[in-house]
Amino acid sequence: TQLLEQSPQFLSIQEGENLTVYCNSSSVFSSLQWYRQEPGEGPVLLVTVVTGGEVKKLKRLTFQFGDARKDSSLHITAAQPGDTGLYLCAGDPGTNAGKSTFGDGTTLTVKP
Amino acid sequence: NAGVTQTPKFQVLKTGQSMTLQCAQDMNHEYMSWYRQDPGMGLRLIHYSVGAGITDQGEVPNGYNVSRSTTEDFPLRLLSAAPSQTSVYFCAAVYNYGYTFGSGTRLTVV
Repeated sequence: TQLLEQSPQFLSIQEGENLTVYCNSSSVFSSLQWYRQEPGEGPVLLVTVVTGGEVKKLKRLTFQFGDARKDSSLHITAAQPGDTGLYLCAGDPGTNAGKSTFGDGTTLTVKP
Repeated sequence: NAGVTQTPKFQVLKTGQSMTLQCAQDMNHEYMSWYRQDPGMGLRLIHYSVGAGITDQGEVPNGYNVSRSTTEDFPLRLLSAAPSQTSVYFCAAVYNYGYTFGSGTRLTVV
């Protein structure tokens, strides 16, 4: 089983601060996804990165896929209370067949 | 579009009881998966399917069965519920690397 380690596990910051969440593995993934989950709901897909070194931006969120396709990061600029939630990374082993491995998640709290 | 629909949303079972968690999608995606989510342990794959009539085991399949008679439906059966199966269960349809999840079934086994 391919493992994904996320850090930090918990993060509590003030509105307006910047933050970075990391997702690391010793395995190579063909693609990596980031999801955001709110209490009582299923995870919602934010982005998919496919190419090593790829950088994608979604408003104040910047996602990067490592050159070796073993790690990824999520950077949030000027965090807002609406960014509060559980952030999950997931790695696809290459089959795109519904077998993705998920990290344990980072719980982000942004205080007003 | 409803996306992925899971029922029921909440369920309490007694140890030894059996039940079926329902999952239906209206996106015509071939790939579907079942995950369970426990505190501090992320999402773990139970079973997955690459199309109607084809299923396979994931990381934690023991105590669960699945079937996929149609593209739309992917039910998960608990054969004899145990307290260790207390969890939140998510069904997902997969397309182009990304998952669309249902809103989950919160199951408590007492």
